[in-house]
Amino acid sequence: ETGVTQTPRHLVMGMTNKKSLKCEQHLGHNAMYWYKQSAKKPLELMFVYSLEERVENNSVPSRFSPECPNSSHLFLHLHTLQPEDSALYLCASSQDYASGSYNEQYFGPGTRLTVT
Amino acid sequence: AQKVTQAQTEISVVEKEDVTLDCVYETRDTTYYLFWYKQPPSGELVFLIRRNSFDEQNEISGRYSWNFQKSTSSFNFTITASQVVDSAVYFCALSVLSGSARQLTFGSGTQLTVLP
Repeated sequence: ETGVTQTPRHLVMGMTNKKSLKCEQHLGHNAMYWYKQSAKKPLELMFVYSLEERVENNSVPSRFSPECPNSSHLFLHLHTLQPEDSALYLCASSQDYASGSYNEQYFGPGTRLTVT
Repeated sequence: AQKVTQAQTEISVVEKEDVTLDCVYETRDTTYYLFWYKQPPSGELVFLIRRNSFDEQNEISGRYSWNFQKSTSSFNFTITASQVVDSAVYFCALSVLSGSARQLTFGSGTQLTVLP
């Protein structure tokens, strides 16, 4: 596997279900991100993990719960979602340097989530 | 706060035409990076280019070129001799330091359709 992979690619779930999205990066990066992309809206940053510690959560509802067990894996646990949570969820990774060097983020293909 | 504006929601051109996608950004930071990403129908955002705020040299890569104008806070993207495969949503993004990780602020995207 190369780059950033996400599973599943498509997910349909009811409002009472619990599911998890998985992201894995094979680039040796130390920062990972979850974004939400809804129709007609800019990408919204949900969570940032740098060196496996969460540094931003941007006021995301608690029904979304991230987990980053190591620098290569990122999960997004979902429970009691609402229909308006239907969207494309994108994972990204980058090499983060506290010294101030900026690097681009590489994205996975996304998980298309439909909440019924 | 950062802001990225892509005023062109949709652009349609005929193959072989040149097309320019506009991007205007706002930030109080003096050190920042600008990016362009391409999102084809498959969903994955593909990194195209990164520029830092201290380098205003324009860049050309094959049929792609970028014009960075700090005086007008713009970072425009031109595709020369467009092809059908260029059809995608193009996002401009701005990155500044947030904690120890980079936070990308995206524009709302421009849907480019290249007709045969």
